[in-house]
Amino acid sequence: EAGVTQFPSHSVIEKGQTVTLRCDPISGHDNLYWYRRVMGKEIKFLLHFVKESKQDESGMPNNRFLAERTGGTYSTLKVQPAELEDSGVYFCASSLRQGVYEQYFGPGTRLTVT
Amino acid sequence: AQSVTQLDSHVSVSEGTPVLLRCNYSSSYSPSLFWYVQHPNKGLQLLLKYTSAATLVKGINGFEAEFKKSETSFHLTKPSAHMSDAAEYFCVVSEYSSASKIIFGSGTRLSIRP
Repeated sequence: EAGVTQFPSHSVIEKGQTVTLRCDPISGHDNLYWYRRVMGKEIKFLLHFVKESKQDESGMPNNRFLAERTGGTYSTLKVQPAELEDSGVYFCASSLRQGVYEQYFGPGTRLTVT
Repeated sequence: AQSVTQLDSHVSVSEGTPVLLRCNYSSSYSPSLFWYVQHPNKGLQLLLKYTSAATLVKGINGFEAEFKKSETSFHLTKPSAHMSDAAEYFCVVSEYSSASKIIFGSGTRLSIRP
């Protein structure tokens, strides 16, 4: 069974540019989550999809971030325009059901904004 | 509000000696607690979880953790460290059984000396 995959593994962009991160969850997992770790701090929750619907987006930092999950399969997280403080590692996770069930994490995308 | 504190940012032990990674939590309700591990360039992997069953939880690779409500602690232990245990470890709390949002500790980097 393939795990959660993320693309790209690393992205370097200039301030003001746009970047789109992609996450492919484990097949059949309706729940998809995005997290972010900035500058070695805590990993923080961004948002949660159930299928194609946003269940909880309370962690999204501002309106420069847009997450989509068309068709309830893969998800994209777009940052537009990127700022220096957006640098960090963006993790995606998926789970079969929400709650205390195990979330399976991808390897993350390291975003560097210069 | 729920929170989790990992008391050590870096722990170094010799191969074959015990491992102790400390975690304290704060929660208004009965929490669910997890330990995740991240090896370099890999996704986060669930080591073990506590969800109000037995207070001593056994996980993969010989790790275990004990939930102590009176001390609000969930420390991770292993009797004998192996070189392959070198990684970053995260203590995680989820407050409600149906919550999608989980809270990460800041992480503890475990180094193993030959």
